[in-house]
Amino acid sequence: NAGVMQNPRHLVRRRGQEARLRCSPMKGHSHVYWYRQLPEEGLKFMVYLQKENIIDESGMPKERFSAEFPKEGPSILRIQQVVRGDSAAYFCASSPFQGDYGYTFGSGTRLTVV
Amino acid sequence: DQQVKQNSPSLSVQEGRISILNCDYTNSMFDYFLWYKKYPAEGPTFLISISSIKDKNEDGRFTVFLNKSAKHLSLHIVPSQPGDSAVYFCAASGPNTGNQFYFGTGTSLTVIP
Repeated sequence: NAGVMQNPRHLVRRRGQEARLRCSPMKGHSHVYWYRQLPEEGLKFMVYLQKENIIDESGMPKERFSAEFPKEGPSILRIQQVVRGDSAAYFCASSPFQGDYGYTFGSGTRLTVV
Repeated sequence: DQQVKQNSPSLSVQEGRISILNCDYTNSMFDYFLWYKKYPAEGPTFLISISSIKDKNEDGRFTVFLNKSAKHLSLHIVPSQPGDSAVYFCAASGPNTGNQFYFGTGTSLTVIP
């Protein structure tokens, strides 16, 4: 039973390019959460999704960032026109139902914007 | 606005001794707290949790203490082992925090053999 799978593990993008980060939740988990860890900071909540629905995006920057969790396939965090300040580790977590606080985290995607 | 704070960025402890990691929070509505452990290049791994109806929760070598009046929790590891060397994050949530956890900035624990 594979854990939460995130890819790529490392992603380098030039300023202005688009970054796509993928997350496949654990089997049987239909709730996905994205967190971002900036250098020297703790993890900060970005968005919570269920299949085909965004439930809570209160932590998402208003511009350039979007997330989806389609009926089939992984959850995608998309960052358009990346800037240096987007360089961070992006972690995805999943849970089997809402309110299950024992998230399982993936290993993260480290985005570097050059 | 850092609602969960871990004021010690690092801690070194001799193998076999007790490690005490501290965490403070500002939101009095927080009612559920977790500790996560993180190795380099890996995601955080859930370690132990406590709800506000309790003041202590124990799991093997790990014990979490909650002092609600002081808005303070601590993680005790006894005895500490070299494999415990990692970054430890505390996290909190409450009925007014929606679906998110608020994380501290982490404490890097080094257990010296």
